[in-house]
Amino acid sequence: AQKITQTQPGMFVQEKEAVTLDCTYDTSDPSYGLFWYKQPSSGEMIFLIYQGSYDQQNATEGRYSLNFQKARKSANLVISASQLGDSAMYFCAMREATGRRALTFGSGTRLQVQP
Amino acid sequence: SAVISQKPSRDICQRGTSLTIQCQVDSQVTMMFWYRQQPGQSLTLIATANQGSEATYESGFVIDKFPISRPNLTFSTLTVSNMSPEDSSIYLCSVAGRMGNTEAFFGQGTRLTVV
Repeated sequence: AQKITQTQPGMFVQEKEAVTLDCTYDTSDPSYGLFWYKQPSSGEMIFLIYQGSYDQQNATEGRYSLNFQKARKSANLVISASQLGDSAMYFCAMREATGRRALTFGSGTRLQVQP
Repeated sequence: SAVISQKPSRDICQRGTSLTIQCQVDSQVTMMFWYRQQPGQSLTLIATANQGSEATYESGFVIDKFPISRPNLTFSTLTVSNMSPEDSSIYLCSVAGRMGNTEAFFGQGTRLTVV
């Protein structure tokens, strides 16, 4: 069964600094996708970035990049040049290519950006 | 990206009553997913809604409590029946994007409080 682990319940970062949010996963499916979402206090889930298991390069989307280490089964999110508006919950999620097509989520990390 | 309209955005309900949440997508999708997010927790899949067949429920969720309709490829409803305070949560619908595995989008969420 697939499993996602986020070991950082909360993180602080200074404005304009970079921060790394950790995510490890476990799956027996060789084909899978990894997602990161931002959830502000409003409750909506904002899609940030996607990494496929067969992608050769790490995914990047603006200030977001994914440090994908397949052998270690980790998919850490790096946010560069943090902004006050980045303060939110961040969830790592995985979808396997076979079986259930829904996402399995980690427990989340609350990021607080300090001025 | 898929645009998902979910309503109501929030509601306060009396225990013992039922609430129906609607999810409208701007394009046809095969599968729609319903998640629950209890206070301070991560997202948990309730069920997968397939057009033309009964929904597939995850362990711990039953049709009598969470009946789901999927009348066409762009619309689904989730009903929370005979509510108790333990049902107070954010409920979210989700679909995969046109890019298949690489996208997964969410509605704005329904913040339910049962008193």
